Amino acid sequence: DQQVKQNSPSLSVQEGRISILNCDYTNSMFDYFLWYKKYPAEGPTFLISISSIKDKNEDGRFTVFLNKSAKHLSLHIVPSQPGDSAVYFCAASGGAGSYQLTFGKGTKLSVIP
Amino acid sequence: DAMVIQNPRYQVTQFGKPVTLSCSQTLNHNVMYWYQQKSSQAPKLLFHYYDKDFNNEADTPDNFQSRRPNTSFCFLDIRSPGLGDTAMYLCATSRGGRDGYTFGSGTRLTVV
Repeated sequence: DQQVKQNSPSLSVQEGRISILNCDYTNSMFDYFLWYKKYPAEGPTFLISISSIKDKNEDGRFTVFLNKSAKHLSLHIVPSQPGDSAVYFCAASGGAGSYQLTFGKGTKLSVIP
Repeated sequence: DAMVIQNPRYQVTQFGKPVTLSCSQTLNHNVMYWYQQKSSQAPKLLFHYYDKDFNNEADTPDNFQSRRPNTSFCFLDIRSPGLGDTAMYLCATSRGGRDGYTFGSGTRLTVV
């Protein structure tokens, strides 16, 4: 049973436009959420995180929004650049074993020049 | 640069032939994790070490074992690989708090 769901396997966006990647979770114990970015033949790298005490966290072109009542978070990339083309994983932690991360399947973002 | 290094990057092994994957870190992190990722699936935690304490996930096959001889190194041993064990194996480290993980580049294992 997937506790972290990324329902869109892929997303294509024009360069300069906004990319919105979505993530849903089912475990109400999750209270810390992260996004990782993965290029082919490389390991995932940390991008941005958010604690459940916040509903928004921003870092340059990247903003993560958290809607606790809906158990939903999203990553916004504005403006999108071709170098953002990668697989983006949503991850969550919380409750017992709170340092462990549970990952979604990932969304492959393609930014078209 | 402090990092997590996995060796080899690519490994082909025969069905049933034991194989060992290696992970080393220069970050001095307390926790080392092994994840299995099959195509188009989420990375799945196999087990992790918090310092010397080994933590196995309930659904990790007995075929998979791990060793952590010191802080820097962690090994994944697959005793009798099956075709279904073909996957990317990711090693990650963390300090054990709410910090994110640092991942290695992964080992792509193919069982033939």
